[in-house]
Amino acid sequence: DADVTQTPRNRITKTGKRIMLECSQTKGHDRMYWYRQDPGLGLRLIYYSFDVKDINKGEISDGYSVSRQAQAKFSLSLESAIPNQTALYFCATSRGGLAGGYNEQFFGPGTRLTVL
Amino acid sequence: DQQVKQNSPSLSVQEGRISILNCDYTNSMFDYFLWYKKYPAEGPTFLISISSIKDKNEDGRFTVFLNKSAKHLSLHIVPSQPGDSAVYFCAASGGGAQKLVFGQGTRLTINP
Repeated sequence: DADVTQTPRNRITKTGKRIMLECSQTKGHDRMYWYRQDPGLGLRLIYYSFDVKDINKGEISDGYSVSRQAQAKFSLSLESAIPNQTALYFCATSRGGLAGGYNEQFFGPGTRLTVL
Repeated sequence: DQQVKQNSPSLSVQEGRISILNCDYTNSMFDYFLWYKKYPAEGPTFLISISSIKDKNEDGRFTVFLNKSAKHLSLHIVPSQPGDSAVYFCAASGGGAQKLVFGQGTRLTINP
């Protein structure tokens, strides 16, 4: 079944370490997104990509970088992790244009990241 | 600046009754609104949406109402079932920006 997968599902790391979260999708969607969820703040957009050559900053991109390796893969990196990056991270995908419904996004199961 | 606000962090409703979740927005450029549902240890899943050209959209037990003048939308669930217990996020998009802005979420608990 078409899906959005994220690895790892859980990660504990230390301050200053570099960490990469990976997202893969089999939906054939052009658009991919990275969000973080914090209690009381909802989901906030970190980065998004509308195709392989397109990368855009979201609301809270400082301290993060991304790479769109292929249409199906979008990874999020924390170059030097800090404790306030402890959060739940979600990857999402959507179709481009109007064919698939206006901006409906499909989410992966999330990665729980703890930075000590 | 929180452009999409869900002012109730939690809501508890008796099984079989109506659940009403509320959402306010400030950006008048938003023209499409969505509700997502999230269970623990899972990603959010799309529930229902509404375009700004409508004031109501219904899908089974779920109805979304949009009041553009008040910049307010609500999600009605009738009748509420135990499986509806989850966190509900409203989200908005528009002004040519192909992005979603989410509210903080409301945790709905349906009591037997």
